[in-house]
Amino acid sequence: GAVVSQHPSRVICKSGTSVKIECRSLDFQATTMFWYRQFPKQSLMLMATSNEGSKATYEQGVEKDKFLINHASLTLSTLTVTSAHPEDSSFYICSAREGGATHNEQFFGPGTRLTVL
Amino acid sequence: GEDVEQSLFLSVREGDSSVINCTYTDSSSTYLYWYKQEPGAGLQLLTYIFSNMDMKQDQRLTVLLNKKDKHLSLRIADTQTGDSAIYFCAERRGGATNKLIFGTGTLLAVQP
Repeated sequence: GAVVSQHPSRVICKSGTSVKIECRSLDFQATTMFWYRQFPKQSLMLMATSNEGSKATYEQGVEKDKFLINHASLTLSTLTVTSAHPEDSSFYICSAREGGATHNEQFFGPGTRLTVL
Repeated sequence: GEDVEQSLFLSVREGDSSVINCTYTDSSSTYLYWYKQEPGAGLQLLTYIFSNMDMKQDQRLTVLLNKKDKHLSLRIADTQTGDSAIYFCAERRGGATNKLIFGTGTLLAVQP
């Protein structure tokens, strides 16, 4: 089956620093990747949708200058949390969709736990 | 409202059936999904149903869809302790991005 990886799985950083999270589709080409955020005991909230080679589409309320998304290739998307603050601490999950699939299933990565001190 | 709603918690005994319910919001949603999330992990797709279907069965899983009431349910037969997890329903809304909107999640606890 399709596999999506994320790196790192856990990261702890100081307030004010930037953190980059990678999302890779390992055995398929992902025309679209999605970034979600999940707070403890809560649901997944879509942050942005990115299509390879074009700018990401951000959901309402998500700061595009704070959460930089790059989808430079069909197998890699990155999310950079700039000038991170403790309130950015969360579980970040990406998903990838292969174009042309019948029901356009999204395959999810294992998530990255970000803790900002 | 805009939220896809689920009950927060369900406790069952091993061997019993579990039924997890979901009320979604967009009648034009094309696909509806059930995902499983174990602690500290990503999401695993369990099953999905196309909006023109009423029921789908896949081994121990049965999905029922009432499109009129925008109600979706997941029945797990012969529930096992390994089924303990959080279950999310999700609706795929139309439009260019076909984005998924997730429910609030139901924590299923299976007692031995």
